[in-house]
Amino acid sequence: DAKTTQPNSMESNEEEPVHLPCNHSTISGTDYIHWYRQLPSQGPEYVIHGLTSNVNNRMASLAIAEDRKSSTLILHRATLRDAAVYYCILKRLGGSEKLVFGKGTKLTVNP
Amino acid sequence: SAVISQKPSRDICQRGTSLTIQCQVDSQVTMMFWYRQQPGQSLTLIATANQGSEATYESGFVIDKFPISRPNLTFSTLTVSNMSPEDSSIYLCSVGGLLTDTQYFGPGTRLTVL
Repeated sequence: DAKTTQPNSMESNEEEPVHLPCNHSTISGTDYIHWYRQLPSQGPEYVIHGLTSNVNNRMASLAIAEDRKSSTLILHRATLRDAAVYYCILKRLGGSEKLVFGKGTKLTVNP
Repeated sequence: SAVISQKPSRDICQRGTSLTIQCQVDSQVTMMFWYRQQPGQSLTLIATANQGSEATYESGFVIDKFPISRPNLTFSTLTVSNMSPEDSSIYLCSVGGLLTDTQYFGPGTRLTVL
């Protein structure tokens, strides 16, 4: 499985945008970029995923670099409830359904 | 989406004993996954449980230590056998989405072994 690299931690202020980066320089053409987050004392939850084009949903936006070697999860207005560990995971189209979690980025949101 | 429940939510056990964790899904799913999350760490996949066949274990995990049952399409159990303090972790089950390429996770079972 291609590897992802994320900063260990990031900090943000409430109601400000947050940009969470992820590097995946060995990504293959059929690897989707998935983001999950794990709130304290909960199981992970799906946030967003994409292949080549930028994606938006009610939770976040995903910006994918043109060469696909990096991506950024964007939370447009951070709330205290967004404090979590965010995981960037590559998942191959037609490959195993299992997820391989890295260490993720722990996001702290300050009031 | 899928709603997943796990029992127990937490337990404190003595070393040498075994604990069986249950995972119940509100819809029929083909594949269920069991993960372990050691204190302060990320999630590590233990095994994939398919209904009607033996579970597939990841490197470093064996059936004798973590036997899994998958009697139907909505239920699975993971047993942590002959426990030691190193088995103290959160154990989570997850399922793949029926129509989407996402996974849904249960709330986890927090296990402490004394």
